[in-house]
Amino acid sequence: GQSLEQPSEVTAVEGAIVQINCTYQTSGFYGLSWYQQHDGGAPTFLSYNALDGLEETGRFSSFLSRSDSYGYLLLQELQMKDSASYFCASNSGYALNFGKGTSLLVTP
Amino acid sequence: DGGITQSPKYLFRKEGQNVTLSCEQNLNHDAMYWYRQDPGQGLRLIYYSQIVNDFQKGDIAEGYSVSREKKESFPLTVTSAQKNPTAFYLCASSPRRQGSTPGEKLFFGSGTQLSVL
Repeated sequence: GQSLEQPSEVTAVEGAIVQINCTYQTSGFYGLSWYQQHDGGAPTFLSYNALDGLEETGRFSSFLSRSDSYGYLLLQELQMKDSASYFCASNSGYALNFGKGTSLLVTP
Repeated sequence: DGGITQSPKYLFRKEGQNVTLSCEQNLNHDAMYWYRQDPGQGLRLIYYSQIVNDFQKGDIAEGYSVSREKKESFPLTVTSAQKNPTAFYLCASSPRRQGSTPGEKLFFGSGTQLSVL
């Protein structure tokens, strides 16, 4: 089976840094992805980690530790537009299995 | 512009009725997927297809059916056997590149909100 755990809600101040954690239990694991979804919109791809370590893409970074079955998404210099839901997803080799999502609220 | 088109944006189903959700992509992607999203539940996999004329059940396939007769199209039928169809349905696709797996990066359509009358 597949299960991914992430916090349901996170609140942070504009300009700050926030980390969203994700732990997973999967049978068959190729990598961990992160997606952003604004209310009523489609999920959009943020990052993918196949190997241990940190991947940086602009203000967003993602980390994976296969030995700990753990990853996180790091958002820096938070902006109001970053208020959205963030999903971690494990790649089983044929499809993605998603966590329930973390709702991020950025306040002034 | 390349992308994934889902239609309609809103759909209403009557009791005992089958309805079909359309998903078309012009990204030349081999793999296509259907996910269901309920509030607070994340995305759950209904069906997926890695190649034309082949598809596999996901975690919650009961009450749904699909076809993959063309590379560009992957329609989803919500049958009357699906007793709780109200949800946001998302179609996605991904390329199959040598040395990578299909699930590395998904491109999503804008979704169809299905409600029961």
